[in-house]
Amino acid sequence: DTGVSQNPRHKITKRGQNVTFRCDPISEHNRLYWYRQTLGQGPEFLTYFQNEAQLEKSRLLSDRFSAERPKGSFSTLEIQRTEQGDSAMYLCASSLNGGQTKLFFGSGTQLSVL
Amino acid sequence: KNEVEQSPQNLTAQEGEFITINCSYSVGISALHWLQQHPGGGIVSLFMLSSGKKKHGRLIATINIQEKHSSLHITASHPRDSAVYICAVITGNQFYFGTGTSLTVIP
Repeated sequence: DTGVSQNPRHKITKRGQNVTFRCDPISEHNRLYWYRQTLGQGPEFLTYFQNEAQLEKSRLLSDRFSAERPKGSFSTLEIQRTEQGDSAMYLCASSLNGGQTKLFFGSGTQLSVL
Repeated sequence: KNEVEQSPQNLTAQEGEFITINCSYSVGISALHWLQQHPGGGIVSLFMLSSGKKKHGRLIATINIQEKHSSLHITASHPRDSAVYICAVITGNQFYFGTGTSLTVIP
């Protein structure tokens, strides 16, 4: 399968714990995006990478959130000291360049913070 | 205020009906996507438009750049079309998403 892959599919954690999610984009795609989606809402932009460079971060992304894409391939999103409000679906998408190119989404990681 | 507004929020249709979902946006865009999200969460890009109209099977998407409006039409709707349809616009390097239209097609 050469689509966008996200792991894990589901994560349940206790408040205060750290969690890390992984996204493997389509191999030739240089753009990688992270989004967060809560029930009944459309995805909200968190951050994006052009190759290994993190070019933009949303104001929604507090200091507890950090994302990396060390070799311009897979990316990780870490949430430190999780809070119940972090419970959401975390979606990754990739594209070949930006702008007018098709966006491919992963299946997401559903985070539940107890 | 959301940059992207969709209507209706929820839509129930009988199998075979013609369906229209609308999207209005308030920012200048370089392109607009229509996405389909199934209950498991997976999102598929249906169309990317910067002008005019595109057709794929029973799906048709149109965009009017001057009016900042796009529509997604489904002809001869089928229960397997039941999903959330999301409009997303690209401005600069940012994507802005609508909250989605939840479509249920009843056999």
